[in-house]
Amino acid sequence: ETGVTQTPRHLVMGMTNKKSLKCEQHLGHNAMYWYKQSAKKPLELMFVYNFKEQTENNSVPSRFSPECPNSSHLFLHLHTLQPEDSALYLCASSQDWGGVEDTQYFGPGTRLTVL
Amino acid sequence: AQKITQTQPGMFVQEKEAVTLDCTYDTSDQSYGLFWYKQPSSGEMIFLIYQGSYDEQNATEGRYSLNFQKARKSANLVISASQLGDSAMYFCAMREGRDQAGTALIFGKGTTLSVSS
Repeated sequence: ETGVTQTPRHLVMGMTNKKSLKCEQHLGHNAMYWYKQSAKKPLELMFVYNFKEQTENNSVPSRFSPECPNSSHLFLHLHTLQPEDSALYLCASSQDWGGVEDTQYFGPGTRLTVL
Repeated sequence: AQKITQTQPGMFVQEKEAVTLDCTYDTSDQSYGLFWYKQPSSGEMIFLIYQGSYDEQNATEGRYSLNFQKARKSANLVISASQLGDSAMYFCAMREGRDQAGTALIFGKGTTLSVSS
């Protein structure tokens, strides 16, 4: 595997379900990110992890719970979601030594539908 | 105020023609980076090109070049010799200069490019 992978690619869940999204990066990067992309909206940053520590939580509702067990893996645990949470969830990683040139590389995304 | 503005919701171009996608940005930082990404219908965001605020020359990557006009705060993407596979959504993004690591990108709303034969 190369680059950034995400599983599952598609997910349909009911509002009372609990599910998890998984992201894995094979680039040796130190930072990982979750973004939400809703129709006709810019990408919204949700969480940032740097060296496994959460450095940013962009006022995300508690029904989204991130987990970063190591620099290569990032999870997004979902529970009691709302239909408006249906979106494409993108994971990204970057080297992130603090420079502005730090490039983020994205996974293919998980398309989530909440019924 | 929006930090990244892409005013063209949709652009249409014929194969082999060049096309310019507009992007203006707003920041008070002296050090910042500008990025362009391509998002095909499959969903993956593909990094295309980077321009640093202190770079004196416009960035180029193959058929992609960035027309960077610092005083006007614009960073337009130019795609030369368009191909059918260039049909996608294109996003301009900015990373502002800060001391701390882990600063995320700020994205524009995107421009949909359609290339016809």
